[in-house]
Amino acid sequence: EVQLLESGGTLVQPGGSLRLSCAASGFTFSSHAMSWVRQAPEKGLEWVTIISARDETTHYADSVKGRFTISRDTSKNTLYLQMNSLRAEDTAVYYCAKHANWAFDFWGQGALVTVSS
Amino acid sequence: QTVVTQEASFSVSPGGTVTLTCGLSSGSVSTAYCPSWYQQTPGQSPRTLIHSTDTRSSGVPVRFSGSILGNKAALTITGAQADDESVYFCALYMGSGIWVFGGGTKLTVL
Repeated sequence: EVQLLESGGTLVQPGGSLRLSCAASGFTFSSHAMSWVRQAPEKGLEWVTIISARDETTHYADSVKGRFTISRDTSKNTLYLQMNSLRAEDTAVYYCAKHANWAFDFWGQGALVTVSS
Repeated sequence: QTVVTQEASFSVSPGGTVTLTCGLSSGSVSTAYCPSWYQQTPGQSPRTLIHSTDTRSSGVPVRFSGSILGNKAALTITGAQADDESVYFCALYMGSGIWVFGGGTKLTVL
């Protein structure tokens, strides 16, 4: 059974940093691209970043480029999102998602990040 | 910047058929954009319904189907049920590793 379990969400002050983790199980983690997708309160889904399976190429939405970094540790089957220079508009539930068949084919339960003073 | 467009809301009667669409602010959606569809109920994570334009994900009922209609991707629910009341999001692959979601359509079944 595929499982994605995010952790690390919390309240952080504007300008602060935070690292989210996503523990993966039930599939060959190293064989799949992975993304982070966020959802601000009462808003839609926003794709944030992706890391490829083979060469760990990364891509970012313009809204987070230069502030967020995605990475993966295949020895731990864990995906990470390092978030720096956080802003109020980064407040959201952050989902990690597994890619397959050119889609987001499985989602975690999400981690809430609140940026506020 | 390209925007992915979806109807804000839609209503369907139980047993009825509804088609939700996913377009582009500039240009036409084709299979090259790898349209996919997701269902989300309040407080839950999204659930993947359709990938690669028209392929149902595992366990998705056959009443959900995907297609290209004109210049948009489409999700059709045939024989809507009460528990289909959800928000539906589409996603398009824009190339160069970039994905964009539509704003979502809130579907009411009544």
